[in-house]
Amino acid sequence: AQSVTQLDSQVPVFEEAPVELRCNYSSSVSVYLFWYVQYPNQGLQLLLKYLSGSTLVKGINGFEAEFNKSQTSFHLRKPSVHISDTAEYFCAVRSSGGSYIPTFGRGTSLIVHP
Amino acid sequence: GAVVSQHPSWVICKSGTSVKIECRSLDFQATTMFWYRQFPKQSLMLMATSNEGSKATYEQGVEKDKFLINHASLTLSTLTVTSAHPEDSSFYICSASRTGIQETQYFGPGTRLLVL
Repeated sequence: AQSVTQLDSQVPVFEEAPVELRCNYSSSVSVYLFWYVQYPNQGLQLLLKYLSGSTLVKGINGFEAEFNKSQTSFHLRKPSVHISDTAEYFCAVRSSGGSYIPTFGRGTSLIVHP
Repeated sequence: GAVVSQHPSWVICKSGTSVKIECRSLDFQATTMFWYRQFPKQSLMLMATSNEGSKATYEQGVEKDKFLINHASLTLSTLTVTSAHPEDSSFYICSASRTGIQETQYFGPGTRLLVL
């Protein structure tokens, strides 16, 4: 079984500032990791995913995340945020074999102020 | 590619009636679809896994007779909330994985259900 911890329920930042949304996971097996974004009253959109290979993963909208196996983390970063990045962000993990049902974190609300 | 649609996006119904929500994979085949429920300011709760041509697998605590799931084709799964009550009001989201390529789920836009 896997679990995901998103350490911050809310992250307020000013426009054009950098941001990091933290995600830690636990698992006894190798994993795939995902970040999704949810805008108000919408479904989830895949931002990026780590399956294997390079630990630095680049996604859409200028986001990137780094897989750190020793720290069991997959933090999401963006060097300069826009007002339009205001949304809920979910980290998810699933085992790389067997069940392909992901476990989601509780979400982090990114609030970008002008 | 990998677009998932849901219909309707919004539904308001009276208590005691049944509501059907459709989930379609528009440009790929999905042997497996998933139904989630999301409460305000919370994460997604997996309700059931829908397999084409077979019975759905429900998560613990989810009433299968209340939340009927049918996955009649490789591109369509339906969730019917039977005899809906106000406590069933929620945001329902489906997702689908490409047949044979299961590592990523693609999510629909969600359906907001309000039971009066």
